[in-house]
Amino acid sequence: EPEVTQTPSHQVTQMGQEVILRCVPISNHLYFYWYRQILGQKVEFLVSFYNNEISEKSEIFDDQFSVERPDGSNFTLKIRSTKLEDSAMYFCASSEAFASPNTQYFGPGTRLTVL
Amino acid sequence: DQQVKQNSPSLSVQEGRISILNCDYTNSMFDYFLWYKKYPAEGPTFLISISSIKDKNEDGRFTVFLNKSAKHLSLHIVPSQPGDSAVYFCAASYHGTDKLIFGTGTRLQVFP
Repeated sequence: EPEVTQTPSHQVTQMGQEVILRCVPISNHLYFYWYRQILGQKVEFLVSFYNNEISEKSEIFDDQFSVERPDGSNFTLKIRSTKLEDSAMYFCASSEAFASPNTQYFGPGTRLTVL
Repeated sequence: DQQVKQNSPSLSVQEGRISILNCDYTNSMFDYFLWYKKYPAEGPTFLISISSIKDKNEDGRFTVFLNKSAKHLSLHIVPSQPGDSAVYFCAASYHGTDKLIFGTGTRLQVFP
């Protein structure tokens, strides 16, 4: 069964450093998303991406964040200068359809720890 | 942002019995609802969904019920199995937006 994959599974970084989280969406999906879950809190939407453009972004997704589809298979989330409060699980998701109703399929997540 | 609420943080059910997980929402624009299951150190796994034009959707042991007037949905698992032990998230979306809005989750434990 096709699945979303993410690397690395765990990333530890120093505050102020740049990190890139990688995702390989399901191959026939055209819509991609990033969510995050801070420990003990809800899963929160960060950004959606389609046709090499950001489709929608949340208030969390400020200028420190960027997304890119550098090739035909990868989808990345970059945090330019990490802060302690960026420590969270980051989930990539993909879907066939765009906007509601759409079923999004999630990857296993990357645990980001900022020291 | 409390648009989607799961008021029960945990639920314990005996194997073979029915598990009922509840979710309430406040935004009347929501038109699509999903349930995800999540094991520790894994991502949310899609279980079942329902459109607002329906009041019930069934898939094997899983049934989701939607009561639009009460802004309430529930997930029934019958019979419950130990492998169902996980955190269950309710999520919702509406036309014109890409994002899913999640509840806080309910931890289900199915014991023998």
